[in-house]
Amino acid sequence: DVKVTQSSRYLVKRTGEKVFLECVQDMDHENMFWYRQDPGLGLRLIYFSYDVKMKEKGDIPEGYSVSREKKERFSLILESASTNQTSMYLCASSLGLAALSGANVLTFGAGSRLTVL
Amino acid sequence: GDSVTQMEGPVTLSEEAFLTINCTYTATGYPSLFWYVQYPGEGLQLLLKATKADDKGSNKGFEATYRKETTSFHLEKGSVQVSDSAVYFCALKNFNKFYFGSGTKLNVKP
Repeated sequence: DVKVTQSSRYLVKRTGEKVFLECVQDMDHENMFWYRQDPGLGLRLIYFSYDVKMKEKGDIPEGYSVSREKKERFSLILESASTNQTSMYLCASSLGLAALSGANVLTFGAGSRLTVL
Repeated sequence: GDSVTQMEGPVTLSEEAFLTINCTYTATGYPSLFWYVQYPGEGLQLLLKATKADDKGSNKGFEATYRKETTSFHLEKGSVQVSDSAVYFCALKNFNKFYFGSGTKLNVKP
């Protein structure tokens, strides 16, 4: 079964700490995404990557950075965590543009719930 | 820009009731449309999809038809179960980007 694995399900960090959220997929997908999910706001795209070492800003990139050194791994970095970054973070992956439309769906990880105190 | 609008919840139904969750979209070109489901404490799972106008996606008793003339993709199920309690997200994909609705929470009571 195909998988997107987020290494940390629950994290508690302090304001100002540097936080790494790791995501690994085993489907050889070109595209990877980081979303945050907040009540009443749905899913908001933070960053996405369509190839190794490539990244694009999503709708809410402020306060975040990403790293994609290998095709299967996409990391989200909070350089200096703040309380307003307390949220559920969802990683997802998909095939690239060249894929047939019907095959190009998002596969999500189980999520990482981050609390910043 | 592209966007998805879905009915606000929560929606509360009794077991075996008929379910409709409305979803409309705005998009250029020919997007693909999806319904995802999120069970408590989990990530999103693909429920069904449709890639072109008049396609019907179906899975686990849920159905949705891609209606280009009304730009809609409403989710329906004839008889809900307690185990269907979850948050449902309508989404579209255009080129390489995905857009999600805000989610509709469904509570099914025994």
